[in-house]
Amino acid sequence: AQKVTQAQTEISVVEKEDVTLDCVYETRDTTYYLFWYKQPPSGELVFLIRRNSFDEQNEISGRYSWNFQKSTSSFNFTITASQVVDSAVYFCALTKRGYQKVTFGTGTKLQVIP
Amino acid sequence: GAVVSQHPSWVICKSGTSVKIECRSLDFQATTMFWYRQFPKQSLMLMATSNEGSKATYEQGVEKDKFLINHASLTLSTLTVTSAHPEDSSFYICSAVLAGGAYEQYFGPGTRLTVT
Repeated sequence: AQKVTQAQTEISVVEKEDVTLDCVYETRDTTYYLFWYKQPPSGELVFLIRRNSFDEQNEISGRYSWNFQKSTSSFNFTITASQVVDSAVYFCALTKRGYQKVTFGTGTKLQVIP
Repeated sequence: GAVVSQHPSWVICKSGTSVKIECRSLDFQATTMFWYRQFPKQSLMLMATSNEGSKATYEQGVEKDKFLINHASLTLSTLTVTSAHPEDSSFYICSAVLAGGAYEQYFGPGTRLTVT
């Protein structure tokens, strides 16, 4: 069975601070995909990143960066110099290769205070 | 690219009536679409998998006769909540998987259903 744990329920930071959202996953599959989605107050989920299990390279996209470590089954997400527009609920998700159903974590609500 | 729309964005209906929610992939074909339900401050709960041209696959505990899903074409799936009750009030989100893509799901903006 697959499981995604986002232990941080809510995080508050002051604007311009860096913040890391944790994601720990469990799977017996050797090939799988990990995702991060953002859900702003409007409700629409926005796809942020996909990472396959064979690619452990960290990725940076502007102020966003992701740290994938298979040894600890973690896929953490860091926002550098946070902005108010980053306030949202962030979901980490997992699916196995060739299987489209996705397991979502419970989400982390990030509040960036101006 | 990869835009998914939902209609309506919000709906209020009376108890006992039925409501249809449409999910469309606007600029790509989707052989598979998913329907989720999200309660306030909770994660997404998968309700069913909708496959074009075949019957939907429902998750355990989801009443198939209450939540009717039809995937009539490669760009349209509909969810009909039949004989709605106040406990069906929720945020319903659909997603579509890009045919031939790498498994990321593209989500619609969601439909907020309130049953009075």
